[in-house]
Amino acid sequence: QAVLTQPPSASGTPGQRVTISCSGSSSNIGSNYVYWYQQLPGTAPKLLIYRNNYRPSGVPDRFSGSKSGTSASLAISGLRSEDEADYYCAAWDDSLSGRYVFGTGTKVTVL
Amino acid sequence: QLQLQESGPGLVKPSETLSLTCTVSGGSISSSNYYWGWIRQPPGKGLEWIGSISYSGSTSYNPSLKSRLTMSLDTSKNQFSLKISSVTAADTAVYYCARVHRVQLWDYFFDYWGQGTLATVSS
Repeated sequence: QAVLTQPPSASGTPGQRVTISCSGSSSNIGSNYVYWYQQLPGTAPKLLIYRNNYRPSGVPDRFSGSKSGTSASLAISGLRSEDEADYYCAAWDDSLSGRYVFGTGTKVTVL
Repeated sequence: QLQLQESGPGLVKPSETLSLTCTVSGGSISSSNYYWGWIRQPPGKGLEWIGSISYSGSTSYNPSLKSRLTMSLDTSKNQFSLKISSVTAADTAVYYCARVHRVQLWDYFFDYWGQGTLATVSS
C-alpha cells in the first residue's frame, strides 16, 4: 500500500555517485517534509535524512537529499561498499485522515 | 543513549490478538517532546507505518489497520504497547518500535529504532 514510488534497484561502482528518486503527490511530498531511511542487511532502519535535506549527527556528508514539487531524491556520492543497503523515502500524507507513508524501497548494490 | 527493545510472543494463532511491548531506556516516554510509534515489515517486503501514541496518550493510527489497533503507555515501566486483534497471516512481520520526532503534523520522523521482533501468525 506504499504511495511513494521508488525504483526497485540502483547500483554503482565504488566512488561513483548514485541517485534514488521518490515520487509522490500533492498530499504527501508536495506539501510535507521528506525523510530517508537506510536499512542495512538484517538490521533496523536508520534515519539518514530529515526535513528534505538535513543529516543527523554521524551521517556522512556523502549523503544528500533534495525535493522539488511532488518528488524527492537521495544522492550518495563517493559510493562505498558499506552503503549497500535498502533505502526508503517517507513523508506524512494528508489524505485518509492523515498517515505516515513509506516509499517502496530501493536496493543499492555496490558493484 | 536512548534504547528501545521490543518484546512479545513470536507466534500467534489466526483470529487471536497480537500483543507487543516496547521498553525504553535512556529516556522517559513521558517527555512532551516526543511520540512513540510502531512500524512493521513483512518478510522480504517494505516498511509499513502502524501508528503512534503521544506522551499524553493520544493516538494516530494507520487507517487501513485502525479498526484492529490499540496502543497504550505504561509510564511507571517506561513502556508502550501495541495490540492488533483478529490477526491473519498477512500480519506476519518484523515489528519495530521507535521514537517519533514530531514538531508539527508535517514534521514527523523516527529517530531511534528498536532492533525489531518477528511475529508469525500461524496455527
